[in-house]
Amino acid sequence: AQKVTQAQTEISVVEKEDVTLDCVYETRDTTYYLFWYKQPPSGELVFLIRRNSFDEQNEISGRYSWNFQKSTSSFNFTITASQVVDSAVYFCALSEAYRDNYGQNFVFGPGTRLSVLP
Amino acid sequence: GAGVSQSPRYKVTKRGQDVALRCDPISGHVSLYWYRQALGQGPEFLTYFNYEAQQDKSGLPNDRFSAERPEGSISTLTIQRTEQRDSAMYRCASSYRRTAHNEQFFGPGTRLTVL
Repeated sequence: AQKVTQAQTEISVVEKEDVTLDCVYETRDTTYYLFWYKQPPSGELVFLIRRNSFDEQNEISGRYSWNFQKSTSSFNFTITASQVVDSAVYFCALSEAYRDNYGQNFVFGPGTRLSVLP
Repeated sequence: GAGVSQSPRYKVTKRGQDVALRCDPISGHVSLYWYRQALGQGPEFLTYFNYEAQQDKSGLPNDRFSAERPEGSISTLTIQRTEQRDSAMYRCASSYRRTAHNEQFFGPGTRLTVL
């Protein structure tokens, strides 16, 4: 069974600080996908990134960057020069596929609440 | 274009009543997912459909919960004989392709309160 752990329940930073949100996953599959979603105070879930298990290249998108390390089963998310608008709950998620009839599981972590103070 | 919509946005019901929650996915999206999100927790997978076929219902908590998507578009999640522990946000998501490996677009959710 797969599992996603986000050990940091809440993080507070001051604007312009860098912050890293940790995500550790467990899976027995060799093929899987990892995701990050953002849930701002308004409540919607917003997709940020998807990564497959065969691509360990780190990715940068503006102030966001992701560090995928298969050796430690981690997929950490860093926000550089944080802004108040980054305040939200961030969820890491894992999807692994069965090999028949598209059965699958999609598991979210418990989330990390990030507060960016002005 | 229009995103995923859900109705009602809020539902208050008495214990023992049946409720039906509706999800209208993005037009053309093949896959549709139902999740339940308790306060302060991440979404919990309930079930999903590819077109009209229910591919996986392993996350449904018990047989009071059922879902259908008869024409491969709109879906209904039904909870029979509601209990207070069913109170949560119920979220629907849709995806362009048939597997969860792709981006899922989430609806605003239905907040269910069982008194």
